Amino acid sequence: DSGVTQTPKHLITATGQRVTLRCSPRSGDLSVYWYQQSLDQGLQFLIQYYNGEERAKGNILERFSAQQFPDLHSELNLSSLELGDSALYFCASSEGAGGGDEQFFGPGTRLTVL
Amino acid sequence: AQKITQTQPGMFVQEKEAVTLDCTYDTSDQSYGLFWYKQPSSGEMIFLIYQGSYDEQNATEGRYSLNFQKARKSANLVISASQLGDSAMYFCAMREGQVDSSYKLIFGSGTRLLVRP
Repeated sequence: DSGVTQTPKHLITATGQRVTLRCSPRSGDLSVYWYQQSLDQGLQFLIQYYNGEERAKGNILERFSAQQFPDLHSELNLSSLELGDSALYFCASSEGAGGGDEQFFGPGTRLTVL
Repeated sequence: AQKITQTQPGMFVQEKEAVTLDCTYDTSDQSYGLFWYKQPSSGEMIFLIYQGSYDEQNATEGRYSLNFQKARKSANLVISASQLGDSAMYFCAMREGQVDSSYKLIFGSGTRLLVRP
């Protein structure tokens, strides 16, 4: 158990819908990273927050947005869902902004868009 | 641009034998970090080992060791005494970024390891 929690574990929804994925980092970790794992794109970095502020953006679609709250939990919002958004979404956390910090991954949320 | 290459999509190893999973990387940064993660069929990502670009010694963690050859830009994972529970997908990743920047991970495409009894 990495100490990072993600809810829900599974999510099945329809095209055009909007969903919210939630992540709670390990106690004391200030950074939260979101990654998407799909069959065709592999594991890709989406976005990073550090202590409530957006730190970096990767290949995140405009239909997707995220935020980190004062209690450091983070939410990833996916809207106007398409079939291609079906993937495993990971949240990871680290103590600082990076450096040699290990990123601890949550168990992931498996999103299926029908 | 930074890139991670894992050329072995799948590998077999006999139980109790050692196996090497290949990883090469490309970066122009002087400071970087290399990671290996294990992803069993259940889906979670499990951290195995880390090597910093300035570390002179190869990293080791129990049965895992990282064969770091900086000049060749390779960071191969060696698993000794393979166990059935080692059957999983293995990802090599590189930390991209510098001080006061993001430290997102860039992942390779993975190698699926199957340990035979």
